[in-house]
Amino acid sequence: EAAVTQSPRNKVAVTGGKVTLSCNQTNNHNNMYWYRQDTGHGLRLIHYSYGAGSTEKGDIPDGYKASRPSQENFSLILELATPSQTSVYFCASGDVGAGNTLYFGEGSRLIVV
Amino acid sequence: GDSVTQTEGLVTLTEGLPVMLNCTYQSTYSPFLFWYVQHLNEAPKLLLKSFTDNKRPEHQGFHATLHKSSSSFHLQKSSAQLSDSALYYCALRSGGSNAKLTFGKGTKLSVKS
Repeated sequence: EAAVTQSPRNKVAVTGGKVTLSCNQTNNHNNMYWYRQDTGHGLRLIHYSYGAGSTEKGDIPDGYKASRPSQENFSLILELATPSQTSVYFCASGDVGAGNTLYFGEGSRLIVV
Repeated sequence: GDSVTQTEGLVTLTEGLPVMLNCTYQSTYSPFLFWYVQHLNEAPKLLLKSFTDNKRPEHQGFHATLHKSSSSFHLQKSSAQLSDSALYYCALRSGGSNAKLTFGKGTKLSVKS
């Protein structure tokens, strides 16, 4: 079974603070993704990556940065967190070789106060 | 750009009745379509995906048929079970991209006895 691990699982941050959400995959997939999940909006793509060193903007990248230092790791960075970024964030990995199936982590719940 | 439209909000059914969750899409290129399911407090996971030929994918009693003429990939099941209660997402990968997956807003299915 493909494995994607996120940390932290829960985080409370203050407005204006920096938040880093980390993701590790042991699937050796080329592609990794960060989505946020909000009621009424579903899963929205923030950033994704084709491989180490690459990051691409998704549909809602404003206020977020991403970093892919290695095949296994993909981080989402909120430089100046705002209450509107309170959400559940999901990391996923996948590639064409896996039939385009995405394997999701368990999610990170972020509350910005 | 790519977009996915699903049956909005909550669908409530009585156990044993048929399930149909609608999904239509817009895509510049010939797309691949997916259904993901998310049970309460779990990560989304793949339920089924479209084939490039005309095969109808099936899994756990669910099936869906890609109709390019109507840009649809509706999810169906002949008889709902209590355990089918979950959040269902339709997703699209454009044939022009080997990575980006766009999700719909999700449909919550509640099956009651």
